[in-house]
Amino acid sequence: SQKIEQNSEALNIQEGKTATLTCNYTNYSPAYLQWYRQDPGRGPVFLLLIRENEKEKRKERLKVTFDTTLKQSLFHITASQPADSATYLCAFPRGGSYIPTFGRGTSLIVHP
Amino acid sequence: EAGVAQSPRYKIIEKRQSVAFWCNPISGHATLYWYQQILGQGPKLLIQFQNNGVVDDSQLPKDRFSAERLKGVDSTLKIQPAKLEDSAVYLCASRGSSGNTIYFGEGSWLTVV
Repeated sequence: SQKIEQNSEALNIQEGKTATLTCNYTNYSPAYLQWYRQDPGRGPVFLLLIRENEKEKRKERLKVTFDTTLKQSLFHITASQPADSATYLCAFPRGGSYIPTFGRGTSLIVHP
Repeated sequence: EAGVAQSPRYKIIEKRQSVAFWCNPISGHATLYWYQQILGQGPKLLIQFQNNGVVDDSQLPKDRFSAERLKGVDSTLKIQPAKLEDSAVYLCASRGSSGNTIYFGEGSWLTVV
């Protein structure tokens, strides 16, 4: 069955550094992959979508890569700030649908 | 543009009681999803509606969970009878006809004691 894996351990970094989060998937070749941000007590908020034919996507301080050979997406936040502290979820559509299947998310903590 | 509205935000019930959650999606969004998110896990799809029809309810525990979207707009998710393991956040989300971004509500937090 399709599996999507994110590091369950929190990532702690210092303000100003680049945070890199990893999403691995198995038993599937998604047409695209999405990244969401979730703050405590809130619903997930969509950040970026990257398609299988795109190697990299950028939005302000965010950068996402998609390696279909490694079956992996990396999510980078450059010049990180304490306000970036949140849980980041990756998701891909299940089958040929628009139904996102989510990983468990990785908690990012940016220390001032 | 108003976002996805959900209520109640918090609910505490005893096991074997029933509970209902309400969702009003973004205006014009034909697709509505209910997800369950247990603490420390990612959201898991329970059911997807397209207008007032069910597209996918394969992961909905139908012996205790039910959902409806009678007029193709707002939706209700019901749990009866609740079990301790139903303690979770119930997230409603919607998607428009173009694009593949889904928009989540703030969630309804359920604690079953």
